[in-house]
Amino acid sequence: AQSVTQLGSHVSVSEGALVLLRCNYSSSVPPYLFWYVQYPNQGLQLLLKYTSAATLVKGINGFEAEFKKSETSFHLTKPSAHMSDAAEYFCAVSLNTGFQKLVFGTGTRLLVSP
Amino acid sequence: GAVVSQHPSWVICKSGTSVKIECRSLDFQATTMFWYRQFPKQSLMLMATSNEGSKATYEQGVEKDKFLINHASLTLSTLTVTSAHPEDSSFYICSARQGIPEAFFGQGTRLTVV
Repeated sequence: AQSVTQLGSHVSVSEGALVLLRCNYSSSVPPYLFWYVQYPNQGLQLLLKYTSAATLVKGINGFEAEFKKSETSFHLTKPSAHMSDAAEYFCAVSLNTGFQKLVFGTGTRLLVSP
Repeated sequence: GAVVSQHPSWVICKSGTSVKIECRSLDFQATTMFWYRQFPKQSLMLMATSNEGSKATYEQGVEKDKFLINHASLTLSTLTVTSAHPEDSSFYICSARQGIPEAFFGQGTRLTVV
């Protein structure tokens, strides 16, 4: 069965600093990987996805992530944090077969200080 | 982009009553819909997967008779919480997929049972 581990329940950065949110996955077959963002009392918005094409994936709002099979990682980065990036971020994995259920990590809350 | 609308956004009900939550895909036909539950400051827990015209597949530990799911059409799925109790209070989120890897999420429903 697939699973996702997000290291760090909270990450704090200053505005303008690099954002790095870590995600490691476990899957017996090549997975699909996703990053979603959630603002308070809202649903989830897709930031980016990896579906076995390019390993460096660019998403919305300046975010990108790199799929590294050797490290089983899919870390999310952004060169310069904005105050509006403060939110909860979820990494998710699914198989490319069957119902393609999403399995979520525990989430990382990004805090951005002025 | 694909839009999933969830209604209501919040609901308060008395203990023992039933509550229905609707999930609609507005601009695409959703072959598969998913229902999640999210506790405060926690990740999303998949409750069930539903395909149009067939019975929902529930995750282990989710009571089928308490959480009734109906996927009546390719654009509508409903979750009915029957005989609700305070412990059912939570944030419920639906997502929908149309045969592509990513799923699109509704804005969530905050259920409070008093």
